[in-house]
Amino acid sequence: EAGVTQSPTHLIKTRGQQATLRCSPISGHTSVYWYQQALGLGLQFLLWYDEGEERNRGNFPPRFSGRQFPNYSSELNVNALELEDSALYLCASSPTTSLLAGELFFGEGSRLTVL
Amino acid sequence: AQSVTQPDIHITVSEGASLELRCNYSYGATPYLFWYVQSPGQGLQLLLKYFSGDTLVQGIKGFEAEFKRSQSSFNLRKPSVHWSDAAEYFCAVTSGTYKYIFGTGTRLKVLA
Repeated sequence: EAGVTQSPTHLIKTRGQQATLRCSPISGHTSVYWYQQALGLGLQFLLWYDEGEERNRGNFPPRFSGRQFPNYSSELNVNALELEDSALYLCASSPTTSLLAGELFFGEGSRLTVL
Repeated sequence: AQSVTQPDIHITVSEGASLELRCNYSYGATPYLFWYVQSPGQGLQLLLKYFSGDTLVQGIKGFEAEFKRSQSSFNLRKPSVHWSDAAEYFCAVTSGTYKYIFGTGTRLKVLA
């Protein structure tokens, strides 16, 4: 069974540009979560999608946005990139909205570098 | 405020030595607790989880953790560390909804 896949693995952009990151959850998982892992800051919750809808977002500005497609894959968009957006962006999926059903399954991440 | 604290940013142990990684949490609801491991360039992998029942939980790769409600702790232990255990370890807590709170991680270095 394929795990959570993310693309691209690495992405280099300049300030002011836009970045798009993609995530495919494990087959059968309907919930997708996005986290930002900046150096020394641990994992910060960005967005949660389930059944095609944005269910919740973390404390990030509106230039961080995304969507979930009918096949449950997801896209994270970061507009007007700033230097501090440089981080590893992790996508995770779960089979249900209730995390009591199990755990989060993580992809290997997309490393965004903003120059 | 809900939070997870991993007081040790870096830990270095010799191969074969025992290991304990500390995790303290502040959470109003009944906590569900997790330990994840992240190897360099990899995503996070679940080591173990505590939902209820026996407060000593066993995980993969020979790890275990003990939930101590009175101390608000969920420390991770391993009796004998292997060089392949070198990685970053994250403690996390949730009440069972989407909201996971992660600690800032402990980076483990293993000396040969």
